Amino acid sequence: GAGVSQSPSNKVTEKGKDVELRCDPISGHTALYWYRQSLGQGLEFLIYFQGNSAPDKSGLPSDRFSAERTGGSVSTLTIQRTQQEDSAVYLCASSLEGSIVYEQYFGPGTRLTVT
Amino acid sequence: GDSVTQMEGPVTLSEEAFLTINCTYTATGYPSLFWYVQYPGEGLQLLLKATKADDKGSNKGFEATYRKETTSFHLEKGSVQVSDSAVYFCALSDTNDYKLSFGAGTTVTVRA
Repeated sequence: GAGVSQSPSNKVTEKGKDVELRCDPISGHTALYWYRQSLGQGLEFLIYFQGNSAPDKSGLPSDRFSAERTGGSVSTLTIQRTQQEDSAVYLCASSLEGSIVYEQYFGPGTRLTVT
Repeated sequence: GDSVTQMEGPVTLSEEAFLTINCTYTATGYPSLFWYVQYPGEGLQLLLKATKADDKGSNKGFEATYRKETTSFHLEKGSVQVSDSAVYFCALSDTNDYKLSFGAGTTVTVRA
């Protein structure tokens, strides 16, 4: 079956612009996660969705970052007024439910470069 | 807070060599432990996991044993192949949690 998909695969943007990153989870997965993989910080958790609500936004690095999920499916991560330190690979994962009992399946990531 | 420390790479080996990647952790509760692998051009995949002390996770010839007394979860493979070239991440999730905390990743290159 289809795995987690993300778009775009690569995004180059100028400093100060807004960007939107999209994640399509595996059908039927109620839990969705965003992680960021950067050279300086490694792989870090950003936000967790259970259905359409986000009970844990603790990893979002600043108020320039926001995310939403609609219809219990697609999620969009938005970064406003991008900065060079936002350059990273943004990974999305989904799992059947929001518990570590259930394996998280990762998408291929979106590589964001802020120039 | 929870954290994972894994040996830094890169690691370069010849085919059929023995591979060990060290991983230690700190956690406030009783975590589940994982090894994820990222092959070139692909997304992260779960390689193996262990959920309690002395459990051994295994997959594709890789093994790791949950050692509570040494807070470790070292990854081993007895005879690596070129196809094992990848980045390996040790990770944990604490009791009743859902998010993963990852180590920095170890790049492994296996030469024919």
